[in-house]
Amino acid sequence: LAKTTQPISMDSYEGQEVNITCSHNNIATNDYITWYQQFPSQGPRFIIQGYKTKVTNEVASLFIPADRKSSTLSLPRVSLSDTAVYYCLVGRNTGFQKLVFGTGTRLLVSP
Amino acid sequence: SAVISQKPSRDICQRGTSLTIQCQVDSQVTMMFWYRQQPGQSLTLIATANQGSEATYESGFVIDKFPISRPNLTFSTLTVSNMSPEDSSIYLCSVDVSGTGTYEQYFGPGTRLTVT
Repeated sequence: LAKTTQPISMDSYEGQEVNITCSHNNIATNDYITWYQQFPSQGPRFIIQGYKTKVTNEVASLFIPADRKSSTLSLPRVSLSDTAVYYCLVGRNTGFQKLVFGTGTRLLVSP
Repeated sequence: SAVISQKPSRDICQRGTSLTIQCQVDSQVTMMFWYRQQPGQSLTLIATANQGSEATYESGFVIDKFPISRPNLTFSTLTVSNMSPEDSSIYLCSVDVSGTGTYEQYFGPGTRLTVT
């Protein structure tokens, strides 16, 4: 499983766009990129998944450059309720990879 | 997506005892995982629960300590055996609904275990 590197923490204000970047330099050809959100005392929640270019859903957008060595989760117009830890996970279950969550990014949204 | 429930939601147990955590999914899924998460820390994979065969354990986790059952495609249990205070943690189950192993996972709410 490709090792991921994310900022430990980020601060933002309500209404701003937040971009969280994840580096995964040794991503494999078959690997997918998945982002999760976790609130205190809850299990992680699936946000978005992509393989290349751009993916958008009702919650977020995921930007993946052509070399796929990084990805950016974009949260438009954040609110206080977006304060959470965001995890980037890279991989594909081939039976030989370890599933490893990184340290995550702790996002704090202030009024 | 999938809806996952876990029982119990929390428990306080004595040293040397065992606790079995149940995970129920609202649909049939092939891939199910068990994680451990210390407060304020990231998630650590314990094992992959395989239906009809033994679970696949990650390095540092053994079947004698964390026996897992997966009797069907909607249910699994994780037992934490001969507990010590170091086992105090949040235990989470998840399922991969992608069908292709891309790790589109949905998680249960977790079981908060305290060992005294």
